[in-house]
Amino acid sequence: GIQVEQSPPDLILQEGANSTLRCNFSDSVNNLQWFHQNPWGQLINLFYIPSGTKQNGRLSATTVATERYSLLYISSSQTTDSGVYFCAVVRYGGSQGNLIFGKGTKLSVKP
Amino acid sequence: DAGVTQSPTHLIKTRGQQVTLRCSPKSGHDTVSWYQQALGQGPQFIFQYYEEEERQRGNFPDRFSGHQFPNYSSELNVNALLLGDSALYLCASSSRSDRRLAGELFFGEGSRLTVL
Repeated sequence: GIQVEQSPPDLILQEGANSTLRCNFSDSVNNLQWFHQNPWGQLINLFYIPSGTKQNGRLSATTVATERYSLLYISSSQTTDSGVYFCAVVRYGGSQGNLIFGKGTKLSVKP
Repeated sequence: DAGVTQSPTHLIKTRGQQVTLRCSPKSGHDTVSWYQQALGQGPQFIFQYYEEEERQRGNFPDRFSGHQFPNYSSELNVNALLLGDSALYLCASSSRSDRRLAGELFFGEGSRLTVL
């Protein structure tokens, strides 16, 4: 099956710093989503981005489908950005609801 | 506009018991998928329901079963609970029938199950 690898696994930042999280996937995809999981466990949608670039405030994401990777940029990080960031994909031809998740990047933002 | 809602939020069971978890999808969505998330791992796909039928299933035993009702809400049932079933169970909703919604999944807050 399709493999999803996220890097780095852990990241510690000082408040105000910028960061880039990476997601590599091993096969073509229909769907790619980025999520932020808060300390209470809820997965919060950040981006639906099977290809191209999107921005939402301090966050932006780029997916290069032909090269099978996606990047999540966080600028001017805040303590509330702490948590685990997941990349998840639906393989090309796969079922809409069957997201394959990476292992996540655990981000800690220090004040 | 209510998002995806799940109940209960927390529950404790003992080995061998049975549990039922419930999910109401986001308004306008007709498809419900269930995921299991063990501690420190990413969520894993259990199964998906659409038009009251199981459409796809992940690598989970038959002890895991589900149901979808005419109002699109869904239940996840787990029989003969094992210690290893302790996890966060997440429900996600999406729309198969409305192509404008592009298949994006939205998750509920989860039900945290502890098996003793």
